[in-house]
Amino acid sequence: QKEVEQDPGPLSVPEGAIVSLNCTYSNSAFQYFMWYRQYSRKGPELLMYTYSSGNKEDGRFTAQVDKSSKYISLFIRDSQPSDSATYLCATYTGGFKTIFGAGTRLFVKA
Amino acid sequence: KAGVTQTPRYLIKTRGQQVTLSCSPISGHRSVSWYQQTPGQGLQFLFEYFSETQRNKGNFPGRFSGRQFSNSRSEMNVSTLELGDSALYLCASSLVTGGQTDTQYFGPGTRLTVL
Repeated sequence: QKEVEQDPGPLSVPEGAIVSLNCTYSNSAFQYFMWYRQYSRKGPELLMYTYSSGNKEDGRFTAQVDKSSKYISLFIRDSQPSDSATYLCATYTGGFKTIFGAGTRLFVKA
Repeated sequence: KAGVTQTPRYLIKTRGQQVTLSCSPISGHRSVSWYQQTPGQGLQFLFEYFSETQRNKGNFPGRFSGRQFSNSRSEMNVSTLELGDSALYLCASSLVTGGQTDTQYFGPGTRLTVL
């Protein structure tokens, strides 16, 4: 079993839709949770960063962590074609190694 | 503040050759990690360096090696290249607080093609 599981998609939605991206993790020691966005042929860029359970909002993006079920989510409101990218969830315990999900490819159709 | 830079951005090599990739972290970041990204395997952790010491290593053969210099710049080397080494190699830098690595920031990557 992988430490972080993420459905690779692809996920295709119409412009303006609410997008829900999800990951599950296996190690309850994980404390820090991140979402990265990666455009084609570019490096991942940090989108959201959360510590502990709860919600964090940044513009159209909301990151949600549920430690009881080991579930992390990223919601994108009013999705735009420019949101089309691969979204990677990631987590670490505060140690030396960050663990990434496989990434979900998102297509937002105009 | 300048981001993470990686050179070269593209490389084409043939089987059996060796290659060296370079990474300059964000100013003040002392931890540098390397990843290999392929369509089939996703992001695979190679190794992490802090204060010129390798602190953690992924499950890659000994052909993959790295080092870090006193200015935190890092290089990774792949010897005896194989076709399967074709990938995007990403470098990420982060602050270290209390000996622990903070959030990582990625460079644009070096795309290596092995023919």
